[in-house]
Amino acid sequence: EVQLEESGGGLVQPGGSLRLSCVVSGFSFSNYWMTWVRQAPGKGLEWVATIAPDGNDKSYVDSVKGRFTISRDNAKNSLYLQIDSLRADDTAVYYCARKYSAFDFWGQGTLVTVSS
Amino acid sequence: EIVLTQSPGTLSLSPGERATLSCRASQTVSRASESGLTYFAWYQQKSGQTPRLLIYGASVRAPGIPDRFSGSESGTDFTLTISRLEPEDFAVYYCQQYGTSPCTFGGGTKVEIK
Repeated sequence: EVQLEESGGGLVQPGGSLRLSCVVSGFSFSNYWMTWVRQAPGKGLEWVATIAPDGNDKSYVDSVKGRFTISRDNAKNSLYLQIDSLRADDTAVYYCARKYSAFDFWGQGTLVTVSS
Repeated sequence: EIVLTQSPGTLSLSPGERATLSCRASQTVSRASESGLTYFAWYQQKSGQTPRLLIYGASVRAPGIPDRFSGSESGTDFTLTISRLEPEDFAVYYCQQYGTSPCTFGGGTKVEIK
């Protein structure tokens, strides 16, 4: 069974940092592109970042470039999102997802709240 | 950036009725060179739950998705049809293009019980 489990969310002050993690099981993690998608409260879905299987190809939505860093550790079946210089509009549930036939498997999400 | 515009914003229907959801892309959505499938998908999100992939390649049902769900395309216009609404189908539906960076989603269509 494919499973993705995010962690690392929480309440952080503007300008702060967090590191989100996503541990996966049930498939060969090192063979797949992986992605982060976020959803602000009551809003729609927004793609955040994607990373290639070997970690060498990364892409980001413009609004997070220079502030967010996607990475992975294939030996640990883990995906990460380092988020720095947080702003109020970064408040959202952050989902990790596998990218194969579109985004075919998703985690349950972790909530990031940016507030003073 | 490819902008996806979904309509209507809300669809009020009764169980058993047919639902037709639309998504218009601001420019051509790319296709896979080998399969010819368009890089376009539909997702369902129930209240408080994670999005679930329904359709990829514009018209291919994801594993385990009932055949009452179907997708089609005509140029830059994409349609999700639910042939007969079941009680569990009332949810928000999002379209997505994943062939051109940045990947983009539509704003969503809420299918609610009339």
